[in-house]
Amino acid sequence: EPEVTQTPSHQVTQMGQEVILRCVPISNHLYFYWYRQILGQKVEFLVSFYNNEISEKSEIFDDQFSVERPDGSNFTLKIRSTKLEDSAMYFCASSERDNYGYTFGSGTRLTVV
Amino acid sequence: EDQVTQSPEALRLQEGESSSLNCSYTVSGLRGLFWYRQDPGKGPEFLFTLYSAGEEKEKERLKATLTKKESFLHITAPKPEDSATYLCAVRDNQGGKLIFGQGTELSVKP
Repeated sequence: EPEVTQTPSHQVTQMGQEVILRCVPISNHLYFYWYRQILGQKVEFLVSFYNNEISEKSEIFDDQFSVERPDGSNFTLKIRSTKLEDSAMYFCASSERDNYGYTFGSGTRLTVV
Repeated sequence: EDQVTQSPEALRLQEGESSSLNCSYTVSGLRGLFWYRQDPGKGPEFLFTLYSAGEEKEKERLKATLTKKESFLHITAPKPEDSATYLCAVRDNQGGKLIFGQGTELSVKP
């Protein structure tokens, strides 16, 4: 069964550093998303991406964050100048069509120290 | 503001003991209600999408139903491998994002 692949599975970074979280969505999917889940809290939306541009973003997704689809297979989330409160599980997801159920990756656990 | 509330927060069942999980929602124009299963340290795994009141979907021991205000996930004769956190999410007609509830942590003991 096709999978969404995320790397790394765990990233530890120092406060103030930049991190790039990487995702390979399912190949025929057109819609891409990033969500995050702080420990013990709800899964929350960050950004959606379609046709090589951001289609929607949350209040969390400020200038500290950016997304990119550098080639036909990868989808990245960059977090600049990380803060302690950025520590969370970050999930990438993709879907074939709008309003279909997403397929989520296994996540990257980001720990900011 | 769109809201999703799941109950109970945790549910402990004996193997074979059927039960239901509730998802109450408030949304400005429902485009879809989604059920996911999440195992510890993993990403949510898609189960069902329901699009309109009265719709029902089934998969193995799970059955999801939808009304205008809530959805139920019925679990019939659960097995220990059904133990997980079950997440409900809604999508409104303003955009594509999913709004998640806090989940119901289900534990099924043999």
